[in-house]
Parts: sequence; structure tokens; C-alpha cells
Amino acid sequence: SAVISQKPSRDICQRGTSLTIQCQVDSQVTMMFWYRQQPGQSLTLIATANQGSEATYESGFVIDKFPISRPNLTFSTLTVSNMSPEDSSIYLCSVDRGLDTEAFFGQGTRLTVV
Amino acid sequence: QKEVEQNSGPLSVPEGAIASLNCTYSDRVSQSFFWYRQYSGKSPELIMSIYSNGDKEDGRFTAQLNKASQYVSLLIRDSQPSDSATYLCAVNIGPGGGNKLTFGTGTQLKVEL
Repeated sequence: SAVISQKPSRDICQRGTSLTIQCQVDSQVTMMFWYRQQPGQSLTLIATANQGSEATYESGFVIDKFPISRPNLTFSTLTVSNMSPEDSSIYLCSVDRGLDTEAFFGQGTRLTVV
Repeated sequence: QKEVEQNSGPLSVPEGAIASLNCTYSDRVSQSFFWYRQYSGKSPELIMSIYSNGDKEDGRFTAQLNKASQYVSLLIRDSQPSDSATYLCAVNIGPGGGNKLTFGTGTQLKVEL
């Protein structure tokens, strides 16, 4: 499995501000994804981070709220913009080597918006 | 109908018993199936993947897949207290779907001494 480093691991932010979460992988990977896990809930896919092009967003998620970058095959960022308390969640980076579709997760970023 | 369904539990089993976790999915074109374990406050950890009908064993874990019934299960033999966690079933409809995973809501397993 790939080693996935995600930071920050947690943060407490004021409403109306933005937070950028970074995801670094120790090897090149084909697919990178961002998920959200709201308190007591399962994981919901936000978007697929595409290298060199705009991310592909799932229904209910938009680029203005969750801009994503993926400048190369080992790194991606997710920004949570104009935050409100409803954005308090764990945000998870996931990678897929593209061979057997097994996906692995970073340790997550626990975000609290006050 | 939810795409991936699991009983939320909690499922309580005594130490040493077999824990059986079940999952059903709605999309018949689903190709890949995964079980993740998530401890409280931690990120999901992949424990089993299965791609074809039948059983797949790895140590104390056995995954079972029945595509005709759209059903996947996870058996944990000789359950230990350290197995207490939430188990997430995830389904991937394959490259045509962009290799995206759809998760169930998870089953909480409690292994009691």
C-alpha cells in the first residue's frame, strides 16, 4: 500500500474562513480522491482529483466551495471555502494505484468550524 | 433505495466467536468489493477485497461474494476485542464509473470478553 500523508491532522477554524488540506503520497498514483465523513456518518465522495485538469465533482459538491488542485501524480490539495459549522467533518484523501482498484486512505483531517 | 446497505448494529459477539457482517448493493454492474475497518477517530483501513463470486480467505477474515444476489459478507473467526470497530462495505463499479467507491453506513462490531 502507498504511504499517504495528510495535513493538517486537525484544525479549528472560524466561520467564513478557508482551510487548505494537503495530501502527499510516497509514490505516483493514478487516482486521487477526496471524501468527507460527517459526524456519525459514512464516507461521501467529494471529487476525483485529476492530474493536470479540473477535478470531477460529485453531485452536491461544487468547485467554488471545494476547490481542488493536483499538480502532479503524488500531491493534491482540497480547500474548504467560506466555512460554516455544517462543514465540520473529517476530510479524507484516498489514492488508488489503478491496478486492482484497491483504495487507501490518509489519516484524515478533523475540521471543526466555530 | 440506498446504493450500499449495511445493518448499523451494534453487533455484539463474545470473544472467540465468529462475527458475520453483511452488505447488499443495488448496482448490478458493480465489479469490485471491499471491506474497511475503522476504529473510532481513525481513518478507514482496507482489510479485504474481493472481485469474483465465492469465498476469499485471509487469516481470520473471509469475504464472500454473491453477485447474483448482490450480496457481500465478511466473516471474522476467533473474534478478538481488538476487532471492535466499525466495518465499512465499499463497492466500485469499475473503470467505467471512474473507480469511485460507494460506501455503506458501516456496521459497528463489539467483541465482548
